[in-house]
Amino acid sequence: AQSVTQLDSHVSVSEGTPVLLRCNYSSSYSPSLFWYVQHPNKGLQLLLKYTSAATLVKGINGFEAEFKKSETSFHLTKPSAHMSDAAEYFCVVSESNAGNMLTFGGGTRLMVKP
Amino acid sequence: GAGVSQSPSNKVTEKGKDVELRCDPISGHTALYWYRQSLGQGLEFLIYFQGNSAPDKSGLPSDRFSAERTGGSVSTLTIQRTQQEDSAVYLCASSRAAVTSYEQYFGPGTRLTVT
Repeated sequence: AQSVTQLDSHVSVSEGTPVLLRCNYSSSYSPSLFWYVQHPNKGLQLLLKYTSAATLVKGINGFEAEFKKSETSFHLTKPSAHMSDAAEYFCVVSESNAGNMLTFGGGTRLMVKP
Repeated sequence: GAGVSQSPSNKVTEKGKDVELRCDPISGHTALYWYRQSLGQGLEFLIYFQGNSAPDKSGLPSDRFSAERTGGSVSTLTIQRTQQEDSAVYLCASSRAAVTSYEQYFGPGTRLTVT
């Protein structure tokens, strides 16, 4: 069985400061890991994905995440927050034997202060 | 090109009524997924279709929920005898195939409110 835990339900940063959204996963098989973003009243958009290639994954809008198998973590980072980054972020896991069914974390709401 | 579309965007229904939610996947995508997003349960998987294979219904919360996919394209999620706890946003996603290397593209969702 697969599961995802997002360690913070809310994160608040000032514009221009770094962003760190934490995610831990549990998986019985070699997992694929994703970060999705959901802006208010908008659909889910894929930020980045890890599928057993490079452990440091770069995504859109300056976000990146590092897969650490020993720590079962897949934290999302960005060097400098922008006001437009304010949204809900979901860490997601899927397994190759599960038809790519996605299991979502509880979400982290990122707030960016001017 | 066109993305995943869902209809209606909003649906208000009375408790006990049946509802049908529609999903039009991206053309050529053989895999189609339904998820539900609610305040209490977060985002959870409901069911997926891959080509002509039998659907994986393992996420359906009760036998009041069913889904079909006609002609390998459009899908309909049906909820019978709706209950207030069914109130949620129902999301549809499609991908080229049901493998992890293919991204799932999500539709805008249908917001269901059961009164």
